[in-house]
Amino acid sequence: AQKVTQAQTEISVVEKEDVTLDCVYETRDTTYYLFWYKQPPSGELVFLIRRNSFDEQNEISGRYSWNFQKSTSSFNFTITASQVVDSAVYFCGGSGAGSYQLTFGKGTKLSVIP
Amino acid sequence: SAVISQKPSRDICQRGTSLTIQCQVDSQVTMMFWYRQQPGQSLTLIATANQGSEATYESGFVIDKFPISRPNLTFSTLTVSNMSPEDSSIYLCSVGSQGNQNIQYFGAGTRLSVL
Repeated sequence: AQKVTQAQTEISVVEKEDVTLDCVYETRDTTYYLFWYKQPPSGELVFLIRRNSFDEQNEISGRYSWNFQKSTSSFNFTITASQVVDSAVYFCGGSGAGSYQLTFGKGTKLSVIP
Repeated sequence: SAVISQKPSRDICQRGTSLTIQCQVDSQVTMMFWYRQQPGQSLTLIATANQGSEATYESGFVIDKFPISRPNLTFSTLTVSNMSPEDSSIYLCSVGSQGNQNIQYFGAGTRLSVL
């Protein structure tokens, strides 16, 4: 069974600040996938990234970057120069290789204050 | 990614009634999933719906309470039966991306309130 822990329930930052959202993933699988989704106030879940467990290279997409550390089972998400539109609930999730079942963390609510 | 439409987007229902939620995808997909998100909580998988077979339910969810149909590769419905206030949640459908089933794309969800 997988377990995803997002220790930060809520974070507030002032616009243009950088913010890091933490995620720890526990599994007995040797191969697995990790995900981040964004849920804005409108409710839909927006896919942000998928990362394989055997690929520890950091990934950057615009103001977003992800740091995967297999040794600590962490898959942290950093938003650089935050904007008000980044305000949302962010979910980290994981699944075993070949499995369709996504296990989500409890989510981190990010509020970016103008 | 696929475009997923859910109907209704929200509803307020009376205790004891049933509501059917529709999920329409703009392309053919093999795997469709139904999730529940209780207020302030994370998402929990209800069931996996494959076309041409019975839905597979997760622990804690049963077909009598959440019957699912999957008549073709672009459409599915979830019915919430004999509703109680505890069923007040957001219900979301998702699809597995073709060629890469580990990625799921979600609809906008149905916000259900049961009085």
